Amino acid sequence: GNSVTQMEGPVTLSEEAFLTINCTYTATGYPSLFWYVQYPGEGLQLLLKATKADDKGSNKGFEATYRKETTSFHLEKGSVQVSDSAVYFCALCPSGGNNRLAFGKGNQVVVIP
Amino acid sequence: EAQVTQNPRYLITVTGKKLTVTCSQNMNHEYMSWYRQDPGLGLRQIYYSMNVEVTDKGDVPEGYKVSRKEKRNFPLILESPSPNQTSLYFCASSPTQEPSGNTIYFGEGSWLTVV
Repeated sequence: GNSVTQMEGPVTLSEEAFLTINCTYTATGYPSLFWYVQYPGEGLQLLLKATKADDKGSNKGFEATYRKETTSFHLEKGSVQVSDSAVYFCALCPSGGNNRLAFGKGNQVVVIP
Repeated sequence: EAQVTQNPRYLITVTGKKLTVTCSQNMNHEYMSWYRQDPGLGLRQIYYSMNVEVTDKGDVPEGYKVSRKEKRNFPLILESPSPNQTSLYFCASSPTQEPSGNTIYFGEGSWLTVV
């Protein structure tokens, strides 16, 4: 079946540090890939997406590239801010399907001033 | 403004007391679904609906019911809530059955505690 795996554990880093959150997936065909962000006390917001291999999604300084050869969609940001503290979810939507998103377990990111 | 609205946002209830969490979208979307979010488990789909009067089970449907009598509304019903249904619930909608990179819109979430 379709699944998404995110790296274990929370991520704590200092302001202006480089952020990477790993995401790998298992799916048949050509899924669409997403990163969602959940700020404290709020719902999920779409951060970025990519719909085909080698596409790069970007938003608010975050980037992720759809790598089919490694089945990965790692999230990166060059210089994080305290306001980036949130939970980040990687997700996939299978091709030809019913919009049934499969989510990773999420990573709590804490940015320290 | 395009939005998915859930109510209530916060609820504490007792075991066995039926409750309904409403979800409404103003975007004329065909597809709607419910997820629950639990620590360490991410989001798991409960039920989804492809269109009016068409619903199907997701990954964790036990203990829940849904209905889709109108396109805009997709209520989640807990006939006899139990403590293991304490969770954060999200409603979502999207404009088409085919993903094609279409954005899926989420509501703000409903915190439900069953004691």
